[in-house]
Amino acid sequence: DAGVIQSPRHEVTEMGQEVTLRCKPISGHDYLFWYRQTMMRGLELLIYFNNNVPIDDSGMPEDRFSAKMPNASFSTLKIQPSEPRDSAVYFCASTLLAGVGNEQFFGPGTRLTVL
Amino acid sequence: AQTVTQSQPEMSVQEAETVTLSCTYDTSESDYYLFWYKQPPSRQMILVIRQEAYKQQNATENRFSVNFQKAAKSFSLKISDSQLGDAAMYFCAYRRHKLISGATNKLIFGTGTLLAVQP
Repeated sequence: DAGVIQSPRHEVTEMGQEVTLRCKPISGHDYLFWYRQTMMRGLELLIYFNNNVPIDDSGMPEDRFSAKMPNASFSTLKIQPSEPRDSAVYFCASTLLAGVGNEQFFGPGTRLTVL
Repeated sequence: AQTVTQSQPEMSVQEAETVTLSCTYDTSESDYYLFWYKQPPSRQMILVIRQEAYKQQNATENRFSVNFQKAAKSFSLKISDSQLGDAAMYFCAYRRHKLISGATNKLIFGTGTLLAVQP
């Protein structure tokens, strides 16, 4: 299995632009998580899906952030408009409800820089 | 609410020596998982070891072992025979035991400990 795939690996954009981060979970996994990592706040959960349905979006910082999961093999996290304080590494992770220990498998992350 | 605390921002160990990273947590639940994740410079989050709270026996994975003290809510990671490749940020994390469809199942992370391994 290829693991969790995220694209792009690096994104540099200017303030005010729209940014879309993409994630392909491990095939067969029924949970998908979006995390953000910053020096100030560490690793924090933004939102997660179960069977493509958003379950907990309480970590989404504000209305500029939105996430979708149109099918079991694809999810997006969109920031519109982007701001410099959104600069961070964004991780996607997936897991299987019935899996041993319910281990979350992380993607390689997308490093976002907003100028 | 559950919290995870790592009080050591940085640690250093000599190659081949043993180091222990500390983690404490707070929860009112009795059944949960605790994890140690490793994040090398590549940024990839790698699961090092997992402990189920209802198991009294400490988990072990090769050179990595934990000291799980449930009453004290302490979960330390011991790395034996440290290798240069062990240099990374280590995160302690908490999660409820079983994923429950529709309920909150998030991992709660500590702030991390940056481990340096000296040759």
